[in-house]
Amino acid sequence: QKEVEQNSGPLSVPEGAIASLNCTYSDRGSQSFFWYRQYSGKSPELIMFIYSNGDKEDGRFTAQLNKASQYVSLLIRDSQPSDSATYLCAAGVSGYSTLTFGKGTMLLVSP
Amino acid sequence: DAGVIQSPRHEVTEMGQEVTLRCKPISGHDYLFWYRQTMMRGLELLIYFNNNVPIDDSGMPEDRFSAKMPNASFSTLKIQPSEPRDSAVYFCASSLEKGGGGTDTQYFGPGTRLTVL
Repeated sequence: QKEVEQNSGPLSVPEGAIASLNCTYSDRGSQSFFWYRQYSGKSPELIMFIYSNGDKEDGRFTAQLNKASQYVSLLIRDSQPSDSATYLCAAGVSGYSTLTFGKGTMLLVSP
Repeated sequence: DAGVIQSPRHEVTEMGQEVTLRCKPISGHDYLFWYRQTMMRGLELLIYFNNNVPIDDSGMPEDRFSAKMPNASFSTLKIQPSEPRDSAVYFCASSLEKGGGGTDTQYFGPGTRLTVL
């Protein structure tokens, strides 16, 4: 069974620090990986996706993928209180249309 | 594009009543997904459609749940009869095509918060 595991948190970081969110997946066939942000009472919104080993940067966000170790991470630089949310990791298998979601990690950024 | 549209945003009903949730996917998207989210179980895939055809409904909890997609721009999720344990947030999402390279990105609607008393 495909599984995506995340620490539920909360992960607490001070404003301006780097927040590091991690995710592991069980299906070696997974090729697409997504990070979604979900504010309380809102729907998940895509932050970024990654499908190649290594780093992918988008503004303050950097996604890292290591297929050999089957883990994905999201780094948030210069964390802001507005980054406080639950971050969902998801994995997709090439040729398939569904994504497997983790249960999310709650991030709290204190001013 | 307006994004994925869901209605109603909130629904409060009594046990035993029929509930119908509605979704309009992003125009041009071939895949439509229905999810349920609770604190305990996270985001669960209930059913998904490809080109209006149900592909996998193995996540539908029981026969009280049914879903239809009569055309490319409309889908419904029906619960009949509803029970208190059905209380959750129900999301609809759509995507363009199959996986690989991010093309399987799913875009979520605002959700319907269902409360069954």
